[in-house]
This record gives sequence, structure tokens and C-alpha cells, in this order.
Amino acid sequence: GDSVTQMEGPVTLSEEAFLTINCTYTATGYPSLFWYVQYPGEGLQLLLKATKADDKGSNKGFEATYRKETTSFHLEKGSVQVSDSAVYFCALNSGGSNYKLTFGKGTLLTVNP
Amino acid sequence: DAGVIQSPRHEVTEMGQEVTLRCKPISGHNSLFWYRQTMMRGLELLIYFNNNVPIDDSGMPEDRFSAKMPNASFSTLKIQPSEPRDSAVYFCASSLPTSGVRINEQFFGPGTRLTVL
Repeated sequence: GDSVTQMEGPVTLSEEAFLTINCTYTATGYPSLFWYVQYPGEGLQLLLKATKADDKGSNKGFEATYRKETTSFHLEKGSVQVSDSAVYFCALNSGGSNYKLTFGKGTLLTVNP
Repeated sequence: DAGVIQSPRHEVTEMGQEVTLRCKPISGHNSLFWYRQTMMRGLELLIYFNNNVPIDDSGMPEDRFSAKMPNASFSTLKIQPSEPRDSAVYFCASSLPTSGVRINEQFFGPGTRLTVL
């Protein structure tokens, strides 16, 4: 079945540091890939997505590239801010049904001033 | 736009009691999802409604859980009787109509934190 594996947190960085959160997946077919972010006390929000191999999703300075050969979708940001402190979820939709998302367990990021 | 609205935000109850969680999706969204989030299992889809009809309830843990969507603007998730292992954050999400192979963004509510003592 479909699965998503994220690097375990928590991740603690200083402001302006470089961020990478690793995500790999197992899926049937050609999945679409997503990163969601959950700020404290809130629900999940879509951060970025990529729907086919070699696509790059980007938003708010975050980027992730769909790598079919390595089945990965790592999240990166060149310079994190305190306001980026949140839990980040990698997710996929395998395309068999156009509604079902499979989520990773989430990675807690804390950015210190 | 108010976004997805959930109530209550926090619920503390005793084992054996009935619990009802409520959700109001974004107006115009006809897909609604209930999720459960725990440390051990992460985020799990419990049930999916399309046009008020349950399409996939394979994630509902057991018969103690039930969900309804009597109209396009309201859904409930009921647990009866509740047990301590039901303690979790329950999220409701909604999205625009799904069609073909396109997957539409799911908009999540703030969640209900349930504690069963």
C-alpha cells in the first residue's frame, strides 16, 4: 500500500539557517505529492505540491522537487524564520482515488531567534 | 471566508460517555473528510463524504464511531461509548468537488482535542 516516511524530529534551527526535511514515499502508479504545514493550535494548510516527476513545488520560500528515481520529495528552505516554527507533513495521493491523502507522521520544526 | 469551523475546540469526558464533534465546511465545498491525529498513528482518514453521501468509511475504527452529514453545511462525528484510547485531535476538512483525476486542496479546520478519562 501507499506510505510516506519523513525524517523524525524534532528539528531545531537558528534563524536564517538552511532547512531540509526528508520525505520518501512508496506508492502505486504515479502519485501527486504534497507538503502541508500545521501551525500551533491550527489545522493543516497546504504549503506546496507537485503532480508529476521533476516538478518543483514552491511557496513562501519553501521548495520541494518530485524525484521519481529516488521516490523522494524533500522540503527545503534557504533561510528559516521564527515564524516557520510548525509541524510539516509530507503526503501523497496515488491517483487511484482522487481524494485520499496518505500522510507522513510529521516533523516538528522549531526556529530560535 | 470563515474557513472550516469545528466545535467544540476541546472536549474532556469520562469513559463510557457519548461524544459528538461538529463541523461546518466551507460554503460551496461538497467533499468533507474526518481525520484523527495521534502521536502513535499520525493522521488517519476516518471517513469521506461527497455530496453529503459517505463514500469511504473504511477508516472508521469500529462500530462505536459514526458520522453523518444531514446537509451540505453540517457534519457530525459521534463516539458512543467513548474510551480512553479515543483521545486524539479530530480534524474536519473540506474541498471543492472532485472530478476526474484532479485532486483539490483540502482545507482543514482547527480540530477538536478530545480527552477521554
